[in-house]
Amino acid sequence: LAKTTQPISMDSYEGQEVNITCSHNNIATNDYITWYQQFPSQGPRFIIQGYKTKVTNEVASLFIPADRKSSTLSLPRVSLSDTAVYYCLVGDTADFNKFYFGSGTKLNVKP
Amino acid sequence: AAGVIQSPRHLIKEKRETATLKCYPIPRHDTVYWYQQGPGQDPQFLISFYEKMQSDKGSIPDRFSAQQFSDYHSELNMSSLELGDSALYFCASSLRDRDEKLFFGSGTQLSVL
Repeated sequence: LAKTTQPISMDSYEGQEVNITCSHNNIATNDYITWYQQFPSQGPRFIIQGYKTKVTNEVASLFIPADRKSSTLSLPRVSLSDTAVYYCLVGDTADFNKFYFGSGTKLNVKP
Repeated sequence: AAGVIQSPRHLIKEKRETATLKCYPIPRHDTVYWYQQGPGQDPQFLISFYEKMQSDKGSIPDRFSAQQFSDYHSELNMSSLELGDSALYFCASSLRDRDEKLFFGSGTQLSVL
């Protein structure tokens, strides 16, 4: 039932910018794109949400192209503490699939 | 800011016993979700409640039941526990809207021996 596809894992070094792309080819008109971060043995934490174009907050940026069939989470200047699993969820209130976590991306930040 | 509170933090049970997990949502949030996450796995959606009524159902076993009370807190009741029920159980709450965002608790680690 998961509507999204992400890379299984990514490696990066401290201070680098990291971009994680999520594919959602069947995104519906009313669907929002939401990213969550999860550390081991902790609940997922909301990072950022967008509908189209670009969204930026104090933690990350989210880039969404015009066709909305993919989205890219951008983490500027990552640190070791950004090592976590990142999940992309797509859906809206009327879309049951918004509750489902697909296989996230395990980001490993090295010193 | 207030967060989602789950209790207990850890729970150890034996096979065939029962367990009750509690979740207290963020104030004014009207929706509660329950997830199960096994070791090395992604969170699996179990069930959700909106305004004290069950709204959606995921992969929740028949041995499990849940409800949301008048104060919006929720309880997940698990009976005839099996070894495979050992997992982290997360509760999340939200304010239902088109751009709904889930806020998760720290989870309850259930170990079935």
